[in-house]
Amino acid sequence: NAGVTQTPKFRILKIGQSMTLQCTQDMNHNYMYWYRQDPGMGLKLIYYSVGAGITDKGEVPNGYNVSRSTTEDFPLRLELAAPSQTSVYFCASSYPQGVTMNTEAFFGQGTRLTVV
Amino acid sequence: AQSVAQPEDQVNVAEGNPLTVKCTYSVSGNPYLFWYVQYPNRGLQFLLKYITGDNLVKGSYGFEAEFNKSQTSFHLKKPSALVSDSALYFCAVRDKASGGSYIPTFGRGTSLIVHP
Repeated sequence: NAGVTQTPKFRILKIGQSMTLQCTQDMNHNYMYWYRQDPGMGLKLIYYSVGAGITDKGEVPNGYNVSRSTTEDFPLRLELAAPSQTSVYFCASSYPQGVTMNTEAFFGQGTRLTVV
Repeated sequence: AQSVAQPEDQVNVAEGNPLTVKCTYSVSGNPYLFWYVQYPNRGLQFLLKYITGDNLVKGSYGFEAEFNKSQTSFHLKKPSALVSDSALYFCAVRDKASGGSYIPTFGRGTSLIVHP
């Protein structure tokens, strides 16, 4: 299994440009997440999905959009890039089991995005 | 909402000495707690978790964590630190999003530096 794969690894965008960060997982996980990581701030949840066709906002969704047409893929879209979106973006997946939903998350290697 | 706090931005320890990385939690109901490690330019990797049972949880790479209900803490420990343990460590808790689904919520991270 490749696990969680993110592309690209690095990207520089100009203000106002748009792009899609790709994320795919081959573990048949139903939960998928997008986080952004800023220095000293930990991970902030942008969007998440509990299955194909179902998405919901996290803590910092403004400026982003997602879709989940298949179990495997969960792309993150930036429509009008702003310098505040300069960050490292991580996609993750998990397979909550049972009543306690207590399984751990698996992370991709991240996309480092700079908006200039 | 559930939350975790990591009171130290950085922990320094000499190789061979024991290490502790602190985490405190705030939850309603039973806590489900996790530790992850992030090496430079990599995604997060799961280390260990506490769901129920024994208060001392053993995980990967010789790490363990002690759950203390009275102090609402879940400190990460290792008896003898290695230089290769130098990384960013995140404590996480199972949280419930506004949509009702369970999601991981992370602390701000603690940078562990092990000196030769």
